[in-house]
Amino acid sequence: GAVVSQHPSRVICKSGTSVKIECRSLDFQATTMFWYRQFPKQSLMLMATSNEGSKATYEQGVEKDKFLINHASLTLSTLTVTSAHPEDSSFYICSASPLATGYEQYFGPGTRLTVT
Amino acid sequence: SQQGEEDPQALSIQEGENATMNCSYKTSINNLQWYRQNSGRGLVHLILIRSNEREKHSGRLRVTLDTSKKSSSLLITASRAADTASYFCATDPFGGNQFYFGTGTSLTVIP
Repeated sequence: GAVVSQHPSRVICKSGTSVKIECRSLDFQATTMFWYRQFPKQSLMLMATSNEGSKATYEQGVEKDKFLINHASLTLSTLTVTSAHPEDSSFYICSASPLATGYEQYFGPGTRLTVT
Repeated sequence: SQQGEEDPQALSIQEGENATMNCSYKTSINNLQWYRQNSGRGLVHLILIRSNEREKHSGRLRVTLDTSKKSSSLLITASRAADTASYFCATDPFGGNQFYFGTGTSLTVIP
């Protein structure tokens, strides 16, 4: 089946630093990937749609300068949390759909970000 | 917000019992999907039901969809301790694969 990986799985950083999270589709190509964040015991909130070769589309209320998204290839999207603060601590999950199907989403295992 | 709601928020049952979770959403949909998430882990796709379907089965899972009421239910029959997880419904209101998740139901199955 389709596999999506994320790296790193867990990161701890100091306030003010930037953190990059990678999302890769391992055995399929995806023109579109999606980034979600999840606070403890809460649901997933869509942050942005990552489009290969073009700018990401951000959901209302998500700061595009804070959460930089780059979709450099059909198998890789990166999310950079810039000048991280403790309130950015969260579980970040990406997802992707194979080009052929378009319906089913495959989710990465998530990245736990802790900003101290 | 496009986020749907699920109830109950938490459900605790004995192994062998059935578990029913409900999801309500706000907009018209092409399809609705159910996912499961173990604590601190990624999501696992369980089942997809299209807007022109009313019921779908997959193993011990049964999903219903009522588009007139904008609601769906997930039934897990003969529950097992390994079914303990959070369950989310997700809709794609714009047809662009942007998923909006329900608030989730935390299921605990007691062995």
